[in-house]
Amino acid sequence: DADVTQTPRNRITKTGKRIMLECSQTKGHDRMYWYRQDPGLGLRLIYYSFDVKDINKGEISDGYSVSRQAQAKFSLSLESAIPNQTALYFCATSDSLAGGDYEQYFGPGTRLTVT
Amino acid sequence: AQKITQTQPGMFVQEKEAVTLDCTYDTSDPSYGLFWYKQPSSGEMIFLIYQGSYDQQNATEGRYSLNFQKARKSANLVISASQLGDSAMYFCAMREGRLDSSYKLIFGSGTRLLVRP
Repeated sequence: DADVTQTPRNRITKTGKRIMLECSQTKGHDRMYWYRQDPGLGLRLIYYSFDVKDINKGEISDGYSVSRQAQAKFSLSLESAIPNQTALYFCATSDSLAGGDYEQYFGPGTRLTVT
Repeated sequence: AQKITQTQPGMFVQEKEAVTLDCTYDTSDPSYGLFWYKQPSSGEMIFLIYQGSYDQQNATEGRYSLNFQKARKSANLVISASQLGDSAMYFCAMREGRLDSSYKLIFGSGTRLLVRP
């Protein structure tokens, strides 16, 4: 089984709809991240969380919100989806106790289309 | 200012040959980490190799090596003996080490590699 899972894997929604993307991990990591990837571009950070009580904005947080329901779960919400939020969304985790640098482990991605 | 630059949008390489993917970075932080990820057409992000700013030797992982030139601020990925399965998008990323850092990764725009049989 995958260590970092994302649901749904694909979603088509309409402008103005609220949508939630979910991320779960079994790695026991404390840090979780949400990124988006637009065609031909690298990943950009939306939000990140160091632990259950810690939420931080990333580079492109406008139009998004997150919830860290438990150490293993980090969900991303689009309150009112718009077409330019069409992208591939990645959840990632890292372990602050691993020592040294912190490799991030990525989920399989959620492809979101807003029509 | 852009912090990670990958100047090659696309590259071709013949199967079994070596290929170098370029990455330059910009940071004033003396402590940082450099990562390479592979993204095949299926979309997942696969970690390949890591180089720390204080590492004395270039990182190697199997057929992957990282040519780290600190003075030039470059961290090129070298893939030896290319295989058809190496065809993918490759991203260079950097993590800065400031105390308030999120350890978030800053990504370049990627290089699409196509391995020819």
